[in-house]
Amino acid sequence: QSALTQPASVSGSPGQSIAMSCTGTSSDVGSYKLVSWYQHHPGKAPKLMIHEDTKRPSGVSDRFSGSKSGNTASLTISGLQADDEADYYCCSYGSSSTSVVFGGGTKLTVL
Amino acid sequence: QVQLVESGGGVVQPGRSLRLSCAASGFTFNSYGMHWVRQAPGKGLEWVAIIWYDGSKKYYADSVKGRFTISRDNSRNTVYLQMNSLRAEDTAVFYCAREGYPHSTDYGTLDSWGQGTLVTVSS
Repeated sequence: QSALTQPASVSGSPGQSIAMSCTGTSSDVGSYKLVSWYQHHPGKAPKLMIHEDTKRPSGVSDRFSGSKSGNTASLTISGLQADDEADYYCCSYGSSSTSVVFGGGTKLTVL
Repeated sequence: QVQLVESGGGVVQPGRSLRLSCAASGFTFNSYGMHWVRQAPGKGLEWVAIIWYDGSKKYYADSVKGRFTISRDNSRNTVYLQMNSLRAEDTAVFYCAREGYPHSTDYGTLDSWGQGTLVTVSS
């Protein structure tokens, strides 16, 4: 069960768009439409932002979008706002161990 | 609305046991799979275990396999995590989370989370 690979940090200015990546393997990200993304403000409960690669739960801003190509998924946030500053984790089902694996997390800084 | 409340955390010595509970409300508990996820201090989220909606299947992270046991009591709307042979590296905030679709056999959409309970393993 190897963790998915995410960049340690990304940053952007208010109003800009940023994208962060999540790289897995053909046993997880590349084989299933089951990548999800979570926003985590320290001390709070993580929040589901994207599921099944591209779907946005009710109540999540349409500034957040998900995509995937091969073994790499991406989360894009447009029109950056100060409150978007948080840690973001990707997650995928993985068949190699019939389990779930998270990425190491990306810290988003809004400059 | 969906509510998940974890309890049972605390300070425990290495090698000892602890049982965490997660009380669920606001949804039909026996229709949803449930996860435990943890976050060690200064680290990222780590998936720990899942139990299917009917308790028929359970899967674990390699790091806890053989030491932790997930279970549920659908009559009490509660999921448990029995943690044995605890190690210093098990120190973490433990979250319970709901799998996103009822009766799901595909999983990885954790759509509701509790606030977490802190487990500290230290002598």
